[in-house]
Amino acid sequence: DTAVSQTPKYLVTQMGNDKSIKCEQNLGHDTMYWYKQDSKKFLKIMFSYNNKELIINETVPNRFSPKSPDKAHLNLHINSLELGDSAVYFCASSQDSTGGLSDTQYFGPGTRLTVL
Amino acid sequence: KQEVTQIPAALSVPEGENLVLNCSFTDSAIYNLQWFRQDPGKGLTSLLLIQSSQREQTSGRLNASLDKSSGRSTLYIAASQPGDSATYLCAVGSSNTGKLIFGQGTTLQVKP
Repeated sequence: DTAVSQTPKYLVTQMGNDKSIKCEQNLGHDTMYWYKQDSKKFLKIMFSYNNKELIINETVPNRFSPKSPDKAHLNLHINSLELGDSAVYFCASSQDSTGGLSDTQYFGPGTRLTVL
Repeated sequence: KQEVTQIPAALSVPEGENLVLNCSFTDSAIYNLQWFRQDPGKGLTSLLLIQSSQREQTSGRLNASLDKSSGRSTLYIAASQPGDSATYLCAVGSSNTGKLIFGQGTTLQVKP
């Protein structure tokens, strides 16, 4: 029944490690997003994909690499984790077929990443 | 550069009160504006989406207005309930960049 799901929900890891967060949506949407919410609760977009094609690529370190094997999945891989990467990462999806904003975005429950 | 500000940062009201949450944005060239609700430890739930050509949207006890010329939106909650306690986020869809710019949210507490 879950529309947008993310795994894992919590991720605790050491500096320098490489980790991945997975996202899946069963809504049949064309566009998927990754957002980062920092300790001050500020939510910022990182990436968006439309039908497996990268649409938005914000100024994030190239240690962050999104991968979309199909339009229902958008995974986030992070290399060489740093303390500042600690945050909650949200995946979202929308129906919009142009990668734009005409439709409501549906968010996953978030993945809380803690880098020690 | 679009900036979105929400005031107040926190609000506490007794149950039953009507209340207004404010959102302002610096660039009037927006595509749409969305209001979301975030419960502690949870993801965001979309409440209302207003297209740039619209002035307001209503859903149940919620009414959101949009005034592009003044760069403002309000979320009106009628007859507040303890279950309305959450953080409310305003997000502007930018015509220029095709992405959502979020405010920092207003944390609402409705006391029984």
